[in-house]
Amino acid sequence: GDSVTQMEGPVTLSEEAFLTINCTYTATGYPSLFWYVQYPGEGLQLLLKATKADDKGSNKGFEATYRKETTSFHLEKGSVQVSDSAVYFCALKIPQGYQKVTFGTGTKLQVIP
Amino acid sequence: GAVVSQHPSWVICKSGTSVKIECRSLDFQATTMFWYRQFPKQSLMLMATSNEGSKATYEQGVEKDKFLINHASLTLSTLTVTSAHPEDSSFYICSARQATNTGELFFGEGSRLTVL
Repeated sequence: GDSVTQMEGPVTLSEEAFLTINCTYTATGYPSLFWYVQYPGEGLQLLLKATKADDKGSNKGFEATYRKETTSFHLEKGSVQVSDSAVYFCALKIPQGYQKVTFGTGTKLQVIP
Repeated sequence: GAVVSQHPSWVICKSGTSVKIECRSLDFQATTMFWYRQFPKQSLMLMATSNEGSKATYEQGVEKDKFLINHASLTLSTLTVTSAHPEDSSFYICSARQATNTGELFFGEGSRLTVL
């Protein structure tokens, strides 16, 4: 079945450090890929997405590239801030049927001043 | 952006009682709504998909009679946890899909259920 695997956390970084959160997927067909962010005490928000191979999604300094050859969608940011502390979820959506979204386990990021 | 609201955000109930959680799309019509359950330190587990005016589609392993889902209108879906037990304690999150070409998903704030 469809699945998403992302690196376990928590990830602790100093402010202005470089961030990478790995995400790989298994899916039939050609899924759309997403990163969602959940700030403390809040619901999930879409951070960025990519709908086809080689697409790069970007938002708020974060970016991720849809790599079909490695079935990956790693999240990166060049310089993290304390306000980026949150849980990040990688997810995929199969375009057929109900188009349900399958999530990874989430990676907690803590950025310290 | 589009807003999805869940109510209540936090509920405590006694074992054996039923609890209803509402999910509303406030400024758009949602043809499809999804209910997820989030365990501590774990991912969101899709429980069911509900389409307005039809029966919900439950994921494997989710008890239909335990978790009743109703999607009576294009802006409201409800999840009722029947005869709740402590193991039902969890964070329940709904999401709604806009009835547009993009079909983007928007998430509610979540509802934390604690069963004593």
